[in-house]
Amino acid sequence: DTEVTQTPKHLVMGMTNKKSLKCEQHMGHRAMYWYKQKAKKPPELMFVYSYEKLSINESVPSRFSPECPNSSLLNLHLHALQPEDSALYLCASSQDRLAADEQFFGPGTRLTVL
Amino acid sequence: AQKVTQAQTEISVVEKEDVTLDCVYETRDTTYYLFWYKQPPSGELVFLIRRNSFDEQNEISGRYSWNFQKSTSSFNFTITASQVVDSAVYFCALSDSGNTPLVFGKGTRLSVIA
Repeated sequence: DTEVTQTPKHLVMGMTNKKSLKCEQHMGHRAMYWYKQKAKKPPELMFVYSYEKLSINESVPSRFSPECPNSSLLNLHLHALQPEDSALYLCASSQDRLAADEQFFGPGTRLTVL
Repeated sequence: AQKVTQAQTEISVVEKEDVTLDCVYETRDTTYYLFWYKQPPSGELVFLIRRNSFDEQNEISGRYSWNFQKSTSSFNFTITASQVVDSAVYFCALSDSGNTPLVFGKGTRLSVIA
């Protein structure tokens, strides 16, 4: 299984809602990533988990809260988001956090904040 | 500091034409890795190739080929006999030997017209 899955595919939420994005991989990868991608821009790294521990937080606002319950799952909890947070949220995984490791990406969740 | 430049924002070609996507990178490290990813309209980034800094051999995979030249800090990607299914945004990315995150270029949007 060489797939990274993400749910939901689309999400519309109000600024007062709480929602979660889910990501799963069964490739035995030990590093998992959250990226945010605005239209016509490259992905921007948000968080990196390595061996289920948060290793990088790219100064992301606290209204985004990541969680790694186990080595296969990665969640992104959303609360009190702003309309400018509307974007494609991509999850990725890699064998390890080594520079040589290619990242495998999921299909993304298209988030719209009203 | 790491940097990846994809000077071509958008390219449009007619089916069966050859097309080259340019990528120029900057890094102070002697050990680094270069990647190309394809992002079709569906949104998922698809890994295409990884090249390490010590391997300057060009690579060919079907209609795809890559030309890595350290002397000009370039890692260009050529699609031969382009097809409509090649229409996508292509990202070049760089990872060095440290723990710094993957750095993406801004991407080149390729449109192949039938």
